[in-house]
Amino acid sequence: QVQLVQSGAEVKKPGASVKVSCRASGYTFTSYYMHWVRQAPGQGLEWMGIINPSDGSTRYAQKFQGRVTMTRDRSTSTVSMELSSLRSEDTAVYYCARELYSSSLNFWGQGTLVTVSS
Amino acid sequence: QSVLTQPPSASGTPGQRVTISCSGSSSNIGSNSVNWYQQLPGTAPKLLIYSNNQRPSGVPDRLSGSKSGTSASLAISGLQSEDEAGYYCAAWDDSLNGPVFGGGTKLTVL
Repeated sequence: QVQLVQSGAEVKKPGASVKVSCRASGYTFTSYYMHWVRQAPGQGLEWMGIINPSDGSTRYAQKFQGRVTMTRDRSTSTVSMELSSLRSEDTAVYYCARELYSSSLNFWGQGTLVTVSS
Repeated sequence: QSVLTQPPSASGTPGQRVTISCSGSSSNIGSNSVNWYQQLPGTAPKLLIYSNNQRPSGVPDRLSGSKSGTSASLAISGLQSEDEAGYYCAAWDDSLNGPVFGGGTKLTVL
């Protein structure tokens, strides 16, 4: 069965960077786009970007351009999302999610809480 | 401020039919398909509806989606206590070149 397993919670200071990983299993890793979506405490969902695991191409939401980097490792079926210059407003649960069709996301990781605090 | 507009709350009694609306614009709902997600507290979202009205396997047929113009709606019939959750609509936005979400609707089963 399809599984997306994310790395554990992180606590970072303002200005630091964080890298969240998402290991996929149960399907052909290179056949489906992967998205990153975040959710601040008590807030809604916010799309961050997408990566094509086949060729590593990416597209980022304008809001995160210059601060986010998404990568993939085909040898371990893992995608990663690195966010730099962290600020308190980046405190959120970060999800990886596999695309079914046309940006519909049918499999999600369990989420990774990133807390930014001095 | 979310790009897609949903009512913050909705409610119904067991067995009732409830609908949740989602309003957008020509650059998102008006020109792209709509997806709906359910989120239980402390868990990741779950895809309920994709391509306006398609259900992934395992989603019961008492849930349905529809779209008209720049608006969409999710209908839940035969309301059950386990339907109490947050619901989000989403659609690709051609101007932003990415998917956008509604602010979410908290459904309470009375």
